[in-house]
Amino acid sequence: ETGVTQSPTHLIKTRGQQVTLRCSSQSGHNTVSWYQQALGQGPQFIFQYYREEENGRGNFPPRFSGLQFPNYSSELNVNALELDDSALYLCASMSGLAGGDDRKQFFGPGTRLTVL
Amino acid sequence: GDSVTQMEGPVTLSEEAFLTINCTYTATGYPSLFWYVQYPGEGLQLLLKATKADDKGSNKGFEATYRKETTSFHLEKGSVQVSDSAVYFCALSMGNNRLAFGKGNQVVVIP
Repeated sequence: ETGVTQSPTHLIKTRGQQVTLRCSSQSGHNTVSWYQQALGQGPQFIFQYYREEENGRGNFPPRFSGLQFPNYSSELNVNALELDDSALYLCASMSGLAGGDDRKQFFGPGTRLTVL
Repeated sequence: GDSVTQMEGPVTLSEEAFLTINCTYTATGYPSLFWYVQYPGEGLQLLLKATKADDKGSNKGFEATYRKETTSFHLEKGSVQVSDSAVYFCALSMGNNRLAFGKGNQVVVIP
């Protein structure tokens, strides 16, 4: 049902490198949110994009940045990687913003990033 | 800030046993509350939700009631199956679709 895809599935980088993760939202969904899930922890909200504009950000430094494209797919970019950036990165898509929390979000399977 | 606390540790139980996972929240207003489930190798899936006090969310035999007086949203199921083995996350949102999750509980159901 979800239709949210993420690439790559796994990625290994070294400290100081840069990484780009990709998310294709479910058809018709114009809102994408990104979350970081460290091992043994719950996901933490990074930021949200709505119609190509950032619409809210969690407590993450500026080296975490994002983009949303006209087809509503999205990228998460992380510069100057640190060991603590090792985590599962999840994206979630939904349609619109109106209606408060009645909008259902659909999560992708995630990208597992390992920083050595 | 707004946050969710789940009971510590994994939960291991036998098939057909009763399951309870505790969840309490801290919020400045009146959040919406959710339970998500994460099966191995799959994305997070919404299990149930409640958007106001005294609402009961239910799905697939699972239930949770939004208790404002105790700031809780405990998940229950009367008779678990092996297929219920997964990680369960409690979460809240303050009306902006930005979810704040608890740490999650691994549930293992033994045949």
